[in-house]
Parts: sequence; C-alpha cells; structure tokens
Amino acid sequence: DAMVIQNPRYQVTQFGKPVTLSCSQTLNHNVMYWYQQKSSQAPKLLFHYYDKDFNNEADTPDNFQSRRPNTSFCFLDIRSPGLGDAAMYLCATSRDLGQGEGEQYFGPGTRLTVT
Amino acid sequence: GDSVTQMEGPVTLSEEAFLTINCTYTATGYPSLFWYVQYPGEGLQLLLKATKADDKGSNKGFEATYRKETTSFHLEKGSVQVSDSAVYFCALRDNTNAGKSTFGDGTTLTVKP
Repeated sequence: DAMVIQNPRYQVTQFGKPVTLSCSQTLNHNVMYWYQQKSSQAPKLLFHYYDKDFNNEADTPDNFQSRRPNTSFCFLDIRSPGLGDAAMYLCATSRDLGQGEGEQYFGPGTRLTVT
Repeated sequence: GDSVTQMEGPVTLSEEAFLTINCTYTATGYPSLFWYVQYPGEGLQLLLKATKADDKGSNKGFEATYRKETTSFHLEKGSVQVSDSAVYFCALRDNTNAGKSTFGDGTTLTVKP
C-alpha cells in the first residue's frame, strides 16, 4: 500500500561524513521533491525533479545534491553534513505541476542525526 | 513572494470542542490551497484541498473554504477528538511558478479527553 517510501527512517552520520537518503514511489508521478524540516518549523523545499529535469531552490546549499536515476527513485546526497543539517528530510511526489495536479504525497520522512 | 500565515499555537482543546485554525495567504496568480496534517514521527498527509475561489474542501469532519476576497483558508471542525492531536500545516501551490508550494509554520493541536 505504501506509495512513497523513504529509507532509512532514522539515519545517524558523523560530522563531515557523506550520507545518502533514499526515496521511492509506486505512483508513477512525474515530480519528486525533497524537503528539509527542522523541529517545529515548516518544511523547506530543497529541490525537485520534473521527470529528469532538476530544479534547485536558490537558497539550497551546495552541500546538498540529488539524483533521480529513474521515475521511481530519487536520492538526497549530503556531501559533508554539519550539525546544522540534522533534521527530518521529507520526500514527496505529485503527478504534475499544473492546476489541479498539485496534490503532494509525502513519505514518512528520514530523521537525520549528525554526531 | 508567496507566503502563508497560520494562527500561532499551540492550541489545546477538550474533546468535542469546536476547532478553528486560521490561515491567510499572499500570492500572485491563483493558487491552490491545502491543509496537511503531521502526526508525531510521520510525514505530512493531505487533509483537504481547494483549487479555486469558493471551493470547500472537506475530509474526516474537517472543512475549509477558499475565500479569495479575504485571502483565507481557515480550517474548522465541529467536534474534535483526541486522535486529532497533531500538527496542521496550511499550504499554497502557485500554479504559475513551476508548481512551487509554500507552507505555513504549522499549528500544534492537542486535544484532551
């Protein structure tokens, strides 16, 4: 039944050690998003893929990268995690970008701890 | 730019009380509006949506009406339950800017028996 799956649910990494978070979807949606959510705050969009087209938000640090090898999978790579990168990372999908297509389906999130 | 302003929390209510969480927005164009709910340790779930003015979204006893004249999308429920305790996010999706979504800061609701 799960439509947007994120692995792992909890990830611990060391300061400066690269880490990859994974997202997969069974909805065959065109758009996949990565959000960062810090405690008691709104989700902050990092970037999204429309099919293979990558769209980075202007204020997303270079430390964050993403890959989408196929329709179903999308990865978030943090090249050198800092303590400030500890957060919940949410993956979401939507069928398309236009009017009426905007409903986003979220995964359960991966909580990243940086030690 | 686009923005969403939500009523500040936390909100604490007794079971069966009436709930209102205010949400106002600023946007260019004609956004779609959403309410998402987040239970502890989980991702966001869509609660309801409205895509044009005067539309009413409803789900699980929750309702919100898209009011263009007041740029508002207030969430209401007539009788809350303990299981409604969660964080509620109001969001808009700008249909003219590559579908970018903007979220409010969230309102934490606690319902006591």
